[in-house]
Amino acid sequence: AQSVTQPDIHITVSEGASLELRCNYSYGATPYLFWYVQSPGQGLQLLLKYFSGDTLVQGIKGFEAEFKRSQSSFNLRKPSVHWSDAAEYFCAVAPSGGYNKLIFGAGTRLAVHP
Amino acid sequence: ETGVTQSPTHLIKTRGQQVTLRCSSQSGHNTVSWYQQALGQGPQFIFQYYREEENGRGNFPPRFSGLQFPNYSSELNVNALELDDSALYLCASTSAGPENIQYFGAGTRLSVL
Repeated sequence: AQSVTQPDIHITVSEGASLELRCNYSYGATPYLFWYVQSPGQGLQLLLKYFSGDTLVQGIKGFEAEFKRSQSSFNLRKPSVHWSDAAEYFCAVAPSGGYNKLIFGAGTRLAVHP
Repeated sequence: ETGVTQSPTHLIKTRGQQVTLRCSSQSGHNTVSWYQQALGQGPQFIFQYYREEENGRGNFPPRFSGLQFPNYSSELNVNALELDDSALYLCASTSAGPENIQYFGAGTRLSVL
């Protein structure tokens, strides 16, 4: 069965520090991969997606993610975190062609210290 | 601003009651998906509607049902509410086109007492 694992439930970083959020997936073929962010009281906002091609994808708000097939990973990175990045981050996978049926990880809550 | 609005924002029901949650999508978004997000968890796919027909369902019982209307609005209905149905319910609409990005509403917070 398809699944998504986000090993880190909570992460705290200092403002200006770099960030990496981990995501591992289980799927037979190469799925479509997504990162979403959820702020309190808000819906999910798409940060970036990977369908095919270049394994390093750029997203909004200065985020990027790298797809590594050999590790079944799709980690999210940002070189310098801003206080406004504090939120919950969700990695999601969809079977190729079924990208409306997202399977989400449990999320990583990011706190940013000044 | 995603253009997807959900109502109501919050709702309190008692066990055994029925509830209807509403979602209004952007014009032209002919696919709508519903998700349940329990506290501290990621969203779980409930079902998807395409052109007013159910087009995929997750691991949810039949008491979860939906409707999609020609005016790009949709409903999620839950009968015989249980305490475990307490969650944030998210609606997502998808545009027709190559990108097929899902746009999420802010959700309806349902509490079942």
